[in-house]
Amino acid sequence: DVKVTQSSRYLVKRTGEKVFLECVQDMDHENMFWYRQDPGLGLRLIYFSYDVKMKEKGDIPEGYSVSREKKERFSLILESASTNQTSMYLCASSFGSGSNQPQHFGDGTRLSIL
Amino acid sequence: AQSVSQHNHHVILSEAASLELGCNYSYGGTVNLFWYVQYPGQHLQLLLKYFSGDPLVKGIKGFEAEFIKSKFSFNLRKPSVQWSDTAEYFCAVRSGGSYIPTFGRGTSLIVHP
Repeated sequence: DVKVTQSSRYLVKRTGEKVFLECVQDMDHENMFWYRQDPGLGLRLIYFSYDVKMKEKGDIPEGYSVSREKKERFSLILESASTNQTSMYLCASSFGSGSNQPQHFGDGTRLSIL
Repeated sequence: AQSVSQHNHHVILSEAASLELGCNYSYGGTVNLFWYVQYPGQHLQLLLKYFSGDPLVKGIKGFEAEFIKSKFSFNLRKPSVQWSDTAEYFCAVRSGGSYIPTFGRGTSLIVHP
């Protein structure tokens, strides 16, 4: 069974801090994604990666960056955390383009910025 | 840009009632369609998917969905809901060949015992 593991379920940080959210998948998936989930807004894509060291912006990349140095790991970085980045963050992975396989999601990280 | 609309944001039902959640999308080409469910405190998981073939798709836990191409719709149904179906439901659409699905805003379903 596919496992997508996010490093923390809950995280509390202060404004201005640099925050790292880590995600690891164990199924050799090419694609990895970071979303934020807010009530009434559904899932909004922050960044995705289709290969090691490759990344593309999603719908709401401002204030975030990502790193993918290894195929199984995709990190989301909040360069200088702000209160409006308080949210639930979801990581997902999937096989490459053309595949008919769905995404697999982690349990999420609930991040609070004080 | 592709968009996905879920018309019902909050649905409250009693056990044994029938369920239909609407999903419409804007893309006119080949699509892959998904319904995901997020139970309280759990991760999103796949309920069912459509790629080709029979437009009536059966998923886990008694759910089914029908792809109606002419209406750009992929509605989720269940004939008789249970308290354990209380969850948030997301429709997602991926245009053919794309890496990235577009998600609807989700529907929160509460089932009273």
